[in-house]
Amino acid sequence: QVQLEESGGGLVKPGGSLRLSCAASGFIFSDYYMTWIRQAPGRGLEWISYISGSGDTRYYADSVKGRFTIARDNAKNSLYLQMNSLRVEDTAVYYCVRDLEAFDIWGPGTMVIVSS
Amino acid sequence: SYELTQPPSVSVSPGQTARITCSGDALPKLYAYWYQQKPGQAPVLIIYKDRERPSGIPERFSGSSSGTTVSLTITGVQAEDEADYYCQSADRSGAVLFGGGTKMTVL
Repeated sequence: QVQLEESGGGLVKPGGSLRLSCAASGFIFSDYYMTWIRQAPGRGLEWISYISGSGDTRYYADSVKGRFTIARDNAKNSLYLQMNSLRVEDTAVYYCVRDLEAFDIWGPGTMVIVSS
Repeated sequence: SYELTQPPSVSVSPGQTARITCSGDALPKLYAYWYQQKPGQAPVLIIYKDRERPSGIPERFSGSSSGTTVSLTITGVQAEDEADYYCQSADRSGAVLFGGGTKMTVL
């Protein structure tokens, strides 16, 4: 069964850091681009970053460029999002998503709250 | 900056047809995708490449495209279709874009 499971969310102070992880199973992880998408409370979806199957290509939304880093470990079937210099406006549910042109498989999400 | 524009809400009675639109200048050149999100759940892909339906998605969901507007049509709406619907595409730089979402209420 194809599955994605995020972890690592929590409460962090503004300016702090957090690392999200996503464990993938049920498919050949290295064959797929992977993406992080977030959703602030009561708001819409916001794409923030993607990474190619090999990890060679990465792309970021302007809102997180320079602060967030996407990475993957294909040997561990895992995707990561290192989030630094966190801001209150980064508060959201963060989804790990498989990207095969369309975002076809989503994890349940992990909540990140940035608050003093 | 480039945007995808959706109506904030639509209301429809059970058994009727709902149409949700998404407008964007680049849509004639780029594919659109649609996602359904129910409260407390992750989004689900329901339409890809303007009009293709993933396996397991009911036939009452369909997509179409005309110029700068793409549409999601739900024929014979059921109570379980009450959800938020998001269109998605990309801009010319490759950045992914989502519409603001449409809340569909089944009366």
